[in-house]
Amino acid sequence: DVQLVESGGGLVEPGGSLRLSCAASGFTFTSSAMSWVRQAPGKGLEWVSALSGSGRSTYYADSVKGRFTVSRDNSKNTLYLQMNSLRVDDTAVYYCAGVEMATTRKFDPWGQGTLVTVSS
Amino acid sequence: QTVVTQEPSFSVSPGGTATLTCGLTSGSVSTNYYPSWYQQTPGQAPRTLIYNTNTRSSGVPDRFSGSILGNKAALTITGAQADDESNYHCVLYMGSGIWEFGGGTKLAVL
Repeated sequence: DVQLVESGGGLVEPGGSLRLSCAASGFTFTSSAMSWVRQAPGKGLEWVSALSGSGRSTYYADSVKGRFTVSRDNSKNTLYLQMNSLRVDDTAVYYCAGVEMATTRKFDPWGQGTLVTVSS
Repeated sequence: QTVVTQEPSFSVSPGGTATLTCGLTSGSVSTNYYPSWYQQTPGQAPRTLIYNTNTRSSGVPDRFSGSILGNKAALTITGAQADDESNYHCVLYMGSGIWEFGGGTKLAVL
């Protein structure tokens, strides 16, 4: 079965850092572009970042550019999101998702998400 | 900055038809934006419904359809059922590896 499992969420103080992980299985991870999408409590989805299958091309929303870094380890079938200089408005459930960048631009599959809470 | 717009809420009667839209504060949505639609119930991950404007994801009933209506992307649900009561999110590809989600529509079936 295709599966994405996020981990690494938790409570962090403003200005702090956190690294999220997303373990993939059931599909060819090395050739799949990946993305992070977040959802603040009671709000809609917000695209955060995307990364090509090779890891050479990265893309960020303006709201996180310069603070977040997306990366992957294809030997471990794992996607990462390093989050620095965290702000209260970064509080959200963070989902990892596969993304088709070449043709359909769809997000699929989706993980179950990991909650990040930024608070003092 | 261009913002993606959706109806915050929408109501439909059981068995009725609901057409949810996805627009832009500036300009028109076309197939070049590769609109896609996701269904989400509270506490759950999004589920892919429609992508590339009008392609149904695997396992999605054919009463869900996507299109371009006027200057917006649209998700139409025909024969609405109680378990269609969910939040529906659209996303547009803005080019250069950037996507923008709308604010989501909360659909009530009543």
